[in-house]
Amino acid sequence: KAGVTQTPRYLIKTRGQQVTLSCSPISGHRSVSWYQQTPGQGLQFLFEYFSETQRNKGNFPGRFSGRQFSNSRSEMNVSTLELGDSALYLCASSPRGLAGAGSYNEQFFGPGTRLTVL
Amino acid sequence: DQQVKQNSPSLSVQEGRISILNCDYTNSMFDYFLWYKKYPAEGPTFLISISSIKDKNEDGRFTVFLNKSAKHLSLHIVPSQPGDSAVYFCAARSRTGNQFYFGTGTSLTVIP
Repeated sequence: KAGVTQTPRYLIKTRGQQVTLSCSPISGHRSVSWYQQTPGQGLQFLFEYFSETQRNKGNFPGRFSGRQFSNSRSEMNVSTLELGDSALYLCASSPRGLAGAGSYNEQFFGPGTRLTVL
Repeated sequence: DQQVKQNSPSLSVQEGRISILNCDYTNSMFDYFLWYKKYPAEGPTFLISISSIKDKNEDGRFTVFLNKSAKHLSLHIVPSQPGDSAVYFCAARSRTGNQFYFGTGTSLTVIP
């Protein structure tokens, strides 16, 4: 079974631009979650999509948004980029989503997209 | 506010010795804890977990201990191998919650 794929793997943007990152989950998984990883903050939860609906959102500004398509692929968009948005963005897929007792160890992460904002 | 903390950013251990990675949390509603391992250029992979109804869970060379009164968990790797060199993240969630809270990670180096 193919794993979680993320594109692009590396991205360089300048302040004020916008960026779209893509995540293809494991086949059959309906949930995609997004995380931001920075050295000082670790992994910070951005949001989760399940069956094309945003189910939960972390504490990030509205510049961060996402969506999920009918084939479960997900995109994350960051508008008006700031220097502090430089980070590794990870997505994780799971069959049943983050809520519920049966899903605790069923998150499978992609390799991430390294975003650098200049 | 960081609800899960890993206060040691790095750790070096000789091959064959024990590695102990620590994690503290603040939310008493957390009832499930996980450790993930991350190699460079790869996403985190699940390593081991523990429910709050237990105080120890073992899987081969990896053992996780949970001290609920101290809100502390630790990961023991015995014996440590060079292939264990990676960044380790602890994570937690509550039964009523719907997200995972991760620590900042500890970079483990096992010296041959």
